[in-house]
Amino acid sequence: EIVLTQSPATLSLSPGERATLSCRASQSVSSYLAWYQQKPGQAPRLLIFDASNRATGIPARFSGSGSETDFTLTISSLEPEDFAIYYCHQRSIWPWTFGQGTKVEIK
Amino acid sequence: EVQLVESGGGLVKPGGSLRLSCAASGFTFSSYTMNWVRQAPGKGLEWVSSISSGSSYIYYTDSVKGRIIISRDNAKNSLYLQMNSLRAEDTAVYYCARDQKGTMVADYFDLWGRGTLVTVSS
Repeated sequence: EIVLTQSPATLSLSPGERATLSCRASQSVSSYLAWYQQKPGQAPRLLIFDASNRATGIPARFSGSGSETDFTLTISSLEPEDFAIYYCHQRSIWPWTFGQGTKVEIK
Repeated sequence: EVQLVESGGGLVKPGGSLRLSCAASGFTFSSYTMNWVRQAPGKGLEWVSSISSGSSYIYYTDSVKGRIIISRDNAKNSLYLQMNSLRAEDTAVYYCARDQKGTMVADYFDLWGRGTLVTVSS
């Protein structure tokens, strides 16, 4: 099973600041990686797929990069609605797995 | 409106059974691979099972193999999860999720339901 390790566990930032979230895979997943955002009491929402492609309706302040084992989600300037938990997810090798999540909280 | 609506969750005793349903609307259900993803209280996301559009391909995570069966009825635009021999560790919100492209590999969950809570407790 591919293990996805996200860091940091918690990111404390202010609105307008840049957020950089990391996801490391235990073996190569090529570019078959996605990022999801989840707010309390809500279902996850797809942000980024294939490592760097924004999903429909996702603002340009969200960007993804990386390949093989190291991936990054960047939020260029945090808006109040961006404070949430972010999960990475690999769709390269069964079983599909998720990272443990990074919580972006208001400082 | 494009949406997925889960139902069937509830409180069940260890060893018991439950059948979850997911009603799809607003899109051509029969064209998409569908999935179940769960989230234990206060924990992260865990993929549970996937079924291809025509039910030819079915996959499960190891922890549920032999206890859970995924199925679908394309005529009724519905996805199901039959859960047997339930354990405390199966307690979670169960989400129904659609795959974006239908390729399974290199595909992603682009539409989610709001989830249904399954609690396994005596």
